[in-house]
Amino acid sequence: RKEVEQDPGPFNVPEGATVAFNCTYSNSASQSFFWYRQDCRKEPKLLMSVYSSGNEDGRFTAQLNRASQYISLLIRDSKLSDSATYLCVVTSMDSSYKLIFGSGTRLLVRP
Amino acid sequence: DGGITQSPKYLFRKEGQNVTLSCEQNLNHDAMYWYRQDPGQGLRLIYYSQIVNDFQKGDIAEGYSVSREKKESFPLTVTSAQKNPTAFYLCASSTGSRYQPQHFGDGTRLSIL
Repeated sequence: RKEVEQDPGPFNVPEGATVAFNCTYSNSASQSFFWYRQDCRKEPKLLMSVYSSGNEDGRFTAQLNRASQYISLLIRDSKLSDSATYLCVVTSMDSSYKLIFGSGTRLLVRP
Repeated sequence: DGGITQSPKYLFRKEGQNVTLSCEQNLNHDAMYWYRQDPGQGLRLIYYSQIVNDFQKGDIAEGYSVSREKKESFPLTVTSAQKNPTAFYLCASSTGSRYQPQHFGDGTRLSIL
């Protein structure tokens, strides 16, 4: 089983839609969780950390469910510029200094 | 501006040749990392270093080597032993505290001639 699993998509949504991605992880001892965004042929960029109580940053909301070992990302009022691949990232089983990156979920926002 | 600089942006390797990818950061971060990304795939960890003069193998270290002689610099050498080097190579750094996010340079694309 992969340490981090994501639906590769693509999710194809119209502008203004709300879209949600889930990600499951296998290490129940993971302490840190992040969402990164990666544009085509570019480096990943940190979108937001995910806190136990859930957190929001503008149109983006992240949730953590430790019992079921999944994290989610909700994007409201999608913009064309949100089109990208979203990477789910968790702390490795081997070391708290290592991160494990999911393969990503691709989002396409159409006009 | 603080950041991570990778060079070159594009690199071509001949058969049997070693090539070195540069990574420099001025964020005063203790930890640095090298990843490889193949098309449509996730990031795989090659090597990481939590402190100067120390580094550890990641999941796919075979055919690669690194050094960490300065805090700011973490060069990666792709040796001729790496038979399939064509990929997007990403360098990252973090504060070195536990559970911290990593920040990336803009990558080097390596191809075989």
